[in-house]
Amino acid sequence: NAGVTQTPKFRVLKTGQSMTLLCAQDMNHEYMYWYRQDPGMGLRLIHYSVGEGTTAKGEVPDGYNVSRLKKQNFLLGLESAAPSQTSVYFCASSYPGYNQPQHFGDGTRLSIL
Amino acid sequence: GDSVTQMEGPVTLSEEAFLTINCTYTATGYPSLFWYVQYPGEGLQLLLKATKADDKGSNKGFEATYRKETTSFHLEKGSVQVSDSAVYFCALSSSGGSNYKLTFGKGTLLTVNP
Repeated sequence: NAGVTQTPKFRVLKTGQSMTLLCAQDMNHEYMYWYRQDPGMGLRLIHYSVGEGTTAKGEVPDGYNVSRLKKQNFLLGLESAAPSQTSVYFCASSYPGYNQPQHFGDGTRLSIL
Repeated sequence: GDSVTQMEGPVTLSEEAFLTINCTYTATGYPSLFWYVQYPGEGLQLLLKATKADDKGSNKGFEATYRKETTSFHLEKGSVQVSDSAVYFCALSSSGGSNYKLTFGKGTLLTVNP
């Protein structure tokens, strides 16, 4: 039961470096999401995708890019990392429909020095 | 816009105590409501959900009732265990949009002592 798998689990970057976070799901879900979790802020939506080849901005998209070339994968990129992007990043996936629960990965803890 | 307000934590209880975590919401349309739980070092797991007014979601001894008149979805458990220690998030998904994104409360940290 893999569900939603995120890699890597931890990463430390220097300001200005770039990296890509990978999310893979094996539930054939159409919708995929990237959230960031910061203390006292809950989870905030960065970008989302409603299907292969489509992406859209969420609440806090600045400084991030995404791609969904395959249905099962959703990539989150940081082109030039900034300390304000230090956070825990969660990927989620779901079937379409507002009554469908989202399934989350275990997160990637990212520190930008 | 949509918003979720849940009680501030942290909440500390003794084992077998009664738990209530308050959650109220503001939403367009007719939202679905969820409680998620996050154990240390893990992602969020769905605890329970309710998709229409007066629905009661339940799981693992936890319950919450969708109250449209008070726009609330309070989480309750009659007798907590040490293993229930976690962060609990109330969330909604509104029928007014097309992306079905979740709007989360800020989370409530629950610690249960033996």
